[in-house]
Amino acid sequence: QPVLTQSSSASASLGSSVKLTCTLSSGHSSYIIAWHQQQPGKAPRYLMKLEGSGSYNKGSGVPDRFSGSSSGADRYLTISNLQSEDEADYYCETWDSNTVVFGGGTKLTVL
Amino acid sequence: QLQLQESGSGLVKPSQTLSLTCAVSGGSISSGGYSWSWIRQPPGKGLEWIGYIYHSGSTYYNPSLKSRVTISVDRSKNQFSLKLSSVTAADTAVYYCARGWGYCTTDWGQGTLVTVSS
Repeated sequence: QPVLTQSSSASASLGSSVKLTCTLSSGHSSYIIAWHQQQPGKAPRYLMKLEGSGSYNKGSGVPDRFSGSSSGADRYLTISNLQSEDEADYYCETWDSNTVVFGGGTKLTVL
Repeated sequence: QLQLQESGSGLVKPSQTLSLTCAVSGGSISSGGYSWSWIRQPPGKGLEWIGYIYHSGSTYYNPSLKSRVTISVDRSKNQFSLKLSSVTAADTAVYYCARGWGYCTTDWGQGTLVTVSS
């Protein structure tokens, strides 16, 4: 069963860019993941599905400021031109043998 | 546009069974390729997958909860349900229903808080 590791927190300034990382456990570096955003007090929202090749498919209405990329076992979510509404928790998700796993989440603070 | 709406008891006594239903609108629960999930989030903590039922009717559960969980579907009402037995305070959480394309979660309900307390 894969394990997803995320930093607990990150911060960046309004208008800047930030790159969040989700790392797949050993033996699972080729896995596809999904990124979800959870704004304070709200339900999570699907952002994108991201493959090991770096190819990604975003959900409906997700701004162009959000993009994904991959390197080895690392999956990245890059947010450009940070806005105040981007302050949220970000979770990665993957699946294997009919089991779904979430990372611990990264709390993003917009300064 | 797909909408998922959780409903059920917000307060459950310890040792009893938690029961929730997710009403699906804007899409058919019988459509091929989709999974219908339950995911929970204890207060101040991260997301935990509980299980899902596939469009075929096959069910898959988190191994840590498997002995206590049942997910079922009512196609006539276009809804699916969660039962979690022998609850304790550790089961207090916001419970979300969700839809996945294959295994990837793509749509979320708004969530419902369930508190386990006597």
